[in-house]
Amino acid sequence: GNSVTQMEGPVTLSEEAFLTINCTYTATGYPSLFWYVQYPGEGLQLLLKATKADDKGSNKGFEATYRKETTSFHLEKGSVQVSDSAVYFCALLTPYGQNFVFGPGTRLSVLP
Amino acid sequence: NAGVTQTPKFQVLKTGQSMTLQCAQDMNHEYMSWYRQDPGMGLRLIHYSVGAGITDQGEVPNGYNVSRSTTEDFPLRLLSAAPSQTSVYFCASSTLTGDGYTFGSGTRLTVV
Repeated sequence: GNSVTQMEGPVTLSEEAFLTINCTYTATGYPSLFWYVQYPGEGLQLLLKATKADDKGSNKGFEATYRKETTSFHLEKGSVQVSDSAVYFCALLTPYGQNFVFGPGTRLSVLP
Repeated sequence: NAGVTQTPKFQVLKTGQSMTLQCAQDMNHEYMSWYRQDPGMGLRLIHYSVGAGITDQGEVPNGYNVSRSTTEDFPLRLLSAAPSQTSVYFCASSTLTGDGYTFGSGTRLTVV
């Protein structure tokens, strides 16, 4: 079946530190991959996505590259800010499907 | 603002009570879905619909009913609430190809 595994955290970093949140997936075919962010008390917002191998999604300083050979989609940011504190979800959308499969989420806390 | 609207935002129920969580979207999206979010488990799909009059079960459908009489609305019904249904519920919509996937802001439900 389809599944997403990601480090659960919590991850605590100081402001301006480098961030990596690992995400690996298992899927039939070639899924689209996503990172969603959930700020406290809010719903999920799309952060970035990639639809095919070697694509790099980027937004607000965050990046992730679709690696088919390692079935990974790790999220990175060079310098985190306090405002980046949130829960980050890795997810996949199977080809010809509409239903997402989500990872468990990683809580990030950035300290000033 | 265009998007997905969920009501209520918070609800407390007693075991055995029934209620309906409302979800409406104004983007003319064919696809709508309900997820529940539990700590350490990410989001899990309850039910989904690919158009008016068409619904199907997701990963965790037991205890929940849905209907889709219009394109805009996709209510989720709990017929006899149980403490295991304490969770945060998210509604989402998109086109049939997964474009424009949008989440509502969530309903936090507590069953006592």
